[in-house]
This record gives sequence, C-alpha cells and structure tokens, in this order.
Amino acid sequence: DMKVTQMPRYLIKRMGENVLLECGQDMSHETMYWYRQDPGLGLQLIYISYDVDSNSEGDIPKGYRVSRKKREHFSLILDSAKTNQTSVYFCASSLQGASAETLYFGSGTRLTVL
Amino acid sequence: QQKVQQSPESLIVPEGGMASLNCTSSDRNVDYFWWYRQHSGKSPKMLMSIFSNGEKEEGRFTVHLNKASLHTSLHIRDSQPSDSALYLCAAPSSGSWQLIFGSGTQLTVMP
Repeated sequence: DMKVTQMPRYLIKRMGENVLLECGQDMSHETMYWYRQDPGLGLQLIYISYDVDSNSEGDIPKGYRVSRKKREHFSLILDSAKTNQTSVYFCASSLQGASAETLYFGSGTRLTVL
Repeated sequence: QQKVQQSPESLIVPEGGMASLNCTSSDRNVDYFWWYRQHSGKSPKMLMSIFSNGEKEEGRFTVHLNKASLHTSLHIRDSQPSDSALYLCAAPSSGSWQLIFGSGTQLTVMP
C-alpha cells in the first residue's frame, strides 16, 4: 500500500521555538515536497527535494529549511518559529518530480505557533 | 508570476444535481491540468488529469480542456453528499517541472 506518513499530526509551539516536521514514504519515490495550506491560498510549495541532499527552494522558502539524508525521509525545520507560520503542512512525493506525475500527499501536520 | 485561478470559490448543489467547476492558467505555455480532491480534514488526492484538448470521462466525473483559452472545467453529474470537498486545480509552472495550485472550489452537496 503506497503511503506518505507525516508526524506529528498536531503540534503547538511558542514563538521562537524550533519545530521539526517529519515525513516518510515507502514508494521509493525520488522527489519529495513540503507544502503549506492556508485558507484561500491553496497549496504553496516551500521546498522540493529531488533526491538525497539535492534540495531546491520552492515559492515560499523564507523561514524554513529542509533535510533529506535518506531517500524515504524528508524533514522540514522551522528555526525560531513565528506566529505567521501557523498553518497546515503537507508532505508529498512523486516518482521523479515531473509535473506530469501524480503527487501523493501525507495526512498533514496542523502547526499552531502561539 | 503564473497564477491558477478557480471559480467559483464555493458551490452548493442538491443531491443528484450537476456541479461545474472552472479553472484557468495565466501561463500561455500550459497544456495540461490536474484536479485534486480534498475532503475536510484530509489530504489532497489526485482525481483526474487531462493532457489533450477535449473531454475525458471517468464515471460521474468529466473534465474538459481548451488549450487555446488555457481553461479546464470539472463536471460532476448525479452529485452525492460524499462529493462534498475542496477541489483543487493545478497546472505546470512555466520554466520548471512543478505544479501551481489554485485556491480551490469548496463544493457542498446538500442531501
């Protein structure tokens, strides 16, 4: 069963704290993504990773960094979280990263920064 | 910056009715679209894609594509309450391989 797994599902942090969101996939997909979703704004791409240690900025990378040390695992890190980073974060994966491929999404992490 | 615009923002249809959702890209190089469906509190899941001009039907769902007008539409016939969801349209980004998502149409099917 093809799956993208995100942890945790819900997270509450105080402003200035560090945040680690984790994502795993069991499909041997080369490409993984981090998106955030806010009401009325759709899905916005934060970072994309084409393979281990091959990461590129998306449309809104400011305030975020990523780490991919294994093909099946992709982390999103918020150093010193801000209140405007309160959002729902989705991890996704695709076979090779072409826009003509299906994206498979994880179940999301709802992050609240107080 | 390329935009993908969806209309309407929200739509209410009765059970058994037809729902019609629209999507347009601002990029003249776009020649295919994706539709994803997201139920409340869940993750987006791919619903349909269309790469050729014309129409594609899968069960109660039909997608149209007009490449000349950069427009796609999704039609759901015999709508069911389980079709109530956020429908996201996506198109490839100019100059890259990535998808640009619209802000979605929130569909509610009333029993």
